[in-house]
Amino acid sequence: QVQLQQSGPGLLKPSQTLSLTCAISGDRVSTNNVGWNWIRQSPSRGLEWLGRTYYRSRWFFDYAVSMKSRISINPDTSRNQFSLQLNSVTPEDTAVYYCARDPGGAPVEWGQGTLVTVSS
Amino acid sequence: DIQMTQSPSSLSASVGDRVTITCRTSPSINTNLNWYQQKPGRAPKLLIYGASDLQSGVPSRFSGSGSGTDFTLSISGLQPEDSATYYCQQSYNTPLTFGQGTKVEIK
Repeated sequence: QVQLQQSGPGLLKPSQTLSLTCAISGDRVSTNNVGWNWIRQSPSRGLEWLGRTYYRSRWFFDYAVSMKSRISINPDTSRNQFSLQLNSVTPEDTAVYYCARDPGGAPVEWGQGTLVTVSS
Repeated sequence: DIQMTQSPSSLSASVGDRVTITCRTSPSINTNLNWYQQKPGRAPKLLIYGASDLQSGVPSRFSGSGSGTDFTLSISGLQPEDSATYYCQQSYNTPLTFGQGTKVEIK
């Protein structure tokens, strides 16, 4: 059974960097063709996919175009986890952030969610 | 980006009723459509993948159909625990996109 455990700060000031980690149990971050996603949810934007990484002989990264200049998703094989970095946050980045595992089309397992608030 | 239009935005039904939620996409996505259930304070839970395949452990009163641009999620024999918000989501290509949600309330 795959489980995802999120960690990271919940309160940021504008212009700071959001950093969240998703620890994986029951699978390996380097399993071929399994997608490791970050998705956020807010009342104004609904569910919004941010990006993913997956391994297929090498690492691949897909990012939402709206995030591309600010986002980085990094796998860590030694700790079996992956992380989200979002630079230069604004109050519009306030949301619940989820990590999610996608074995082939649909995100199946999700982390517990982290409420991130951006406020001065 | 693939556009997702879900309807209705909310509905109220009685225990035992059959409920249908619709999701329309633009453009066509074959059968790369998934349905999720979300309860307050919880992460979305996958119900249906590939438009009509029931995720393991999900009650058989949930069913999905459709292909191309028009999809439906049906709940036959609504139960009190089905009170939740339901979302469609396409996995045809990235960016993955979601519908706006349908809130199902029990009368």
